[in-house]
Parts: sequence; C-alpha cells; structure tokens
Amino acid sequence: GDSVTQMEGPVTLSEEACLTINCTYTATGYPSLFWYVQYPGEGLQLLLKATKADDKGSNKGFEATYRKETTSFHLEKGSVQVSDSAVYFCALSSGGYNKLIFGAGTRLAVHP
Amino acid sequence: NAGVMQNPRHLVRRRGQEARLRCSPMKGHSHVYWYRQLPEEGLKFMVYLQKENIIDESGMPKERFSAEFPKEGPSILRIQQVVRGDSAAYFCASSLGLAGQETQYFGPGTRLLVL
Repeated sequence: GDSVTQMEGPVTLSEEACLTINCTYTATGYPSLFWYVQYPGEGLQLLLKATKADDKGSNKGFEATYRKETTSFHLEKGSVQVSDSAVYFCALSSGGYNKLIFGAGTRLAVHP
Repeated sequence: NAGVMQNPRHLVRRRGQEARLRCSPMKGHSHVYWYRQLPEEGLKFMVYLQKENIIDESGMPKERFSAEFPKEGPSILRIQQVVRGDSAAYFCASSLGLAGQETQYFGPGTRLLVL
C-alpha cells in the first residue's frame, strides 16, 4: 500500500542554520504531497503542498519540490528561526477519497 | 471564517466508559476525516464521511468505534467501553471535496486519556 518515510528526529539546529528534512513516498498513481507542521499542544497546520511532478510548494521560507523520479518531497529552509521549532509531517493523499497517509513526523528544535 | 472546531479539547474517561468527540467542519465544507495520533507517532486515518454517509471506514477498529456526520450538527466519533489503548489525540479535518480543492484543514484535536 501507499506509504511515507521521513527522516527520524530530533533534528537540532542553531538559529540561521539550513534545514533539510527528507521525505520519500511509495504510491500508486499520482498523489498530491503535503507538509504539515504541528506546534506543541496544537493541531496540524498545512505548510505547503504540491499536486504534480516538478511542482514546488513554498510558504514562510520553506520549500519542497515534487520529484517523481526519486519519489521524494524533501522540506528545505535556508535559515531557520527558534519559532520554527515544531514537529513536521510529510503526507500524501491516497486514492479517490483523498485520505492522507502520514510519515512518522520529524521533531525540529532550533536553539538561539 | 472559523476554522475546524473540535470539542472537548481534553477528555478523561475511566475504562469501560463511553467517549464522544465532536467536530464542526469549516463553513461550506461537507467532507470530514478523522485521524488518530498515538503518542510520538504520526497520524493514522480512521474514517471519511460526507453528510449522512460513511464513505471509507477502512481505518476504524472493528469494534467499539463508530462515526456519524448527520445532516444537521457536528460529526461525532464515538468510542464505547474505552480501554487504556484508546488514549490518543483524535484529529478531525475537513475539505471542500471538490476536484482540485481537496486540501484538508485540521482542527486542534481532542486529547483522550483513559484511566
């Protein structure tokens, strides 16, 4: 079945460092891909998405490109802030009903 | 435009009691999804509903769990005779359900603790 694999955390960075969180997927058909962010004690917020190959999603300085050839959707940011500390989830929409398949999440901690 | 609303935010139940979780989708959204997040894990799909219909319940446990989305009022996830393993965060998401507008927007979740 469809699945998402993302790098294990925690990822610990200093402020202004570069961030990459790897995400690869297995899917039949052509899923849409998403990154969601979860701050402590809160629900998930959509960070960015891409709906077809080579699309680049971007928001708040974060970017991810839908790579069909490598089945990847890595999340990147050039300069992280303390306020970016959260858990990041990669997900794909599966099948005709668009249910989301999530990765296990990657916790990011950014220190001043 | 209010987002997805869930209540209660926190729920404590003793083993054997019933838990009832409510979700009001975003205005204009007629598609509702429920997900469960166990501690330190990702979210797992449970059920997908449209008004008055269960469309996909492939992620629902076979016993004790049920869901509904009536014509009027919120969607309800009901867990009968709760056990400690049901302790988790339960998230609801809603979408317009139209082609090209399938993005799901999540509520803040209900954190269920079974004593």
